[in-house]
Amino acid sequence: NAGVTQTPKFRILKIGQSMTLQCTQDMNHNYMYWYRQDPGMGLKLIYYSVGAGITDKGEVPNGYNVSRSTTEDFPLRLELAAPSQTSVYFCASSYSKGGNQPQHFGDGTRLSIL
Amino acid sequence: RKEVEQDPGPFNVPEGATVAFNCTYSNSASQSFFWYRQDCRKEPKLLMSVYSSGNEDGRFTAQLNRASQYISLLIRDSKLSDSATYLCVVSGAGGTSYGKLTFGQGTILTVHP
Repeated sequence: NAGVTQTPKFRILKIGQSMTLQCTQDMNHNYMYWYRQDPGMGLKLIYYSVGAGITDKGEVPNGYNVSRSTTEDFPLRLELAAPSQTSVYFCASSYSKGGNQPQHFGDGTRLSIL
Repeated sequence: RKEVEQDPGPFNVPEGATVAFNCTYSNSASQSFFWYRQDCRKEPKLLMSVYSSGNEDGRFTAQLNRASQYISLLIRDSKLSDSATYLCVVSGAGGTSYGKLTFGQGTILTVHP
C-alpha cells in the first residue's frame, strides 16, 4: 500500500537551476496538495488541485508551477531556484475536500538551494 | 494576527503526566478542525478530528469552543512515544478556501523517563 510517494527524498540545487519534485498517489484521490515547511514553522500551502486538469494557487505560489495531467500525479516545478526555496516539501492527497477528510502525506523532499 | 496560533513550547513532561495544548484560530467561519502529529523529520499524520461536542480517543481528548475560537488537546498518562510536534489544523471557511487546511506552527512535546 504505497499511499503518497515523493521523489527525490533529498536534493541540493545551485541558485538558478530548475527541477521537478515528483508526487504520485495510488488511492484514487481527487484532491492533491503541495506544502512547504520551513524550520520551526507550520506547513504553508503552495498549490492544490481538485482533479485532473484543475490547479489553483495556495498561500505561497511564487516561484513554483504545477500540473495535473492525471489523477495520480501532481509534480511541482521550480524554474529558477532561489535560496528562499530551501525547505522541506510535502505532497498530500485526500479523497474529498480536506475539510471533511484527512490528508495523507508523502515522506517529504528536503531541498537545499546553495 | 496568524490564522492559527499555538504555543510553540517546548513542553517537557515526565512519563505519566497529563499535558494540554491550546490553539486559537482567527476565522470564525472555519468549518473543520484537526490535530496532526509530526515526528522529527517525518510527515504529518492525522491524530484526531475535533468535534463541537468534544471527543476522546484513548488517552487523547480534543475540545472545540467555537465562541472563543479555541481548540485544545489533552494527553493523559504521557508515554515516551508521545514525544512529537502537535499541529493544530483548521479547514477553510467557504468558497474557494473550503477544504484547504491551515496549519499552526506546532507545539513540541518531549516526554522523559
